[in-house]
Amino acid sequence: DIQMAQSPSSVSASVGDRVTITCRASQGISTWLAWYQQKAGKAPKLLIYVASILQSGVPSRFSGSGSGTDFTLTISSLQPEDFATYYCQQANSFPLTFGGGTKVEIK
Amino acid sequence: QLQLQQSGPGLVKPSETLSLTCTVSGGSITSTTNHWGWIRQPPGEGLDWIGIFYNGGSTNYNPSLKSRVTIAVDTSKNQFSLKLRSVTAADTAVYYCAQYDTSSGWFDPWGQGTLVTVSS
Repeated sequence: DIQMAQSPSSVSASVGDRVTITCRASQGISTWLAWYQQKAGKAPKLLIYVASILQSGVPSRFSGSGSGTDFTLTISSLQPEDFATYYCQQANSFPLTFGGGTKVEIK
Repeated sequence: QLQLQQSGPGLVKPSETLSLTCTVSGGSITSTTNHWGWIRQPPGEGLDWIGIFYNGGSTNYNPSLKSRVTIAVDTSKNQFSLKLRSVTAADTAVYYCAQYDTSSGWFDPWGQGTLVTVSS
């Protein structure tokens, strides 16, 4: 199975800050990576797929990059509605696996 | 706009079968571009993939659950379902249904989630 390691596990930030979350795969997955946002008590929401393609309706302050084993999700200017937990998911091979999550908290 | 609505019991006894249903609206469950999946999230933990039902009728399950899980589609009701047999407390989780995109491997949209507790 491909293991997905996210860092940090949590980050405290203020509105307007730039936030970067990292996801590392245990083996190369090309660009077969998705990012999700999950707010407390809600289902995850797709933000980015194929490492860098923004899902329709997602604000442009979200961006993704990377290939192979190392990926990043960047929020260019954190907004109040962005406080949530973020997960990466590899789609290169089965079983599909998710990272452990990064919780973005209010500083 | 595709929407998924989950239903099913929130409490299941140990050794019994967990059964959940996901009703699809805003689109046909038999559309060639639509495939369906289940994901679960133990309380306070991350996401675990359970399995996928492909439009052509084939399935793909997480090997860790394969011996106990079945995902099926009921075209007459525009629904798909999850059955997990012989449950234990370790199966306590929020269960989500979602549409699966085979071209890029992502899940979207998701159902609202159902907390299933395994307890006597």
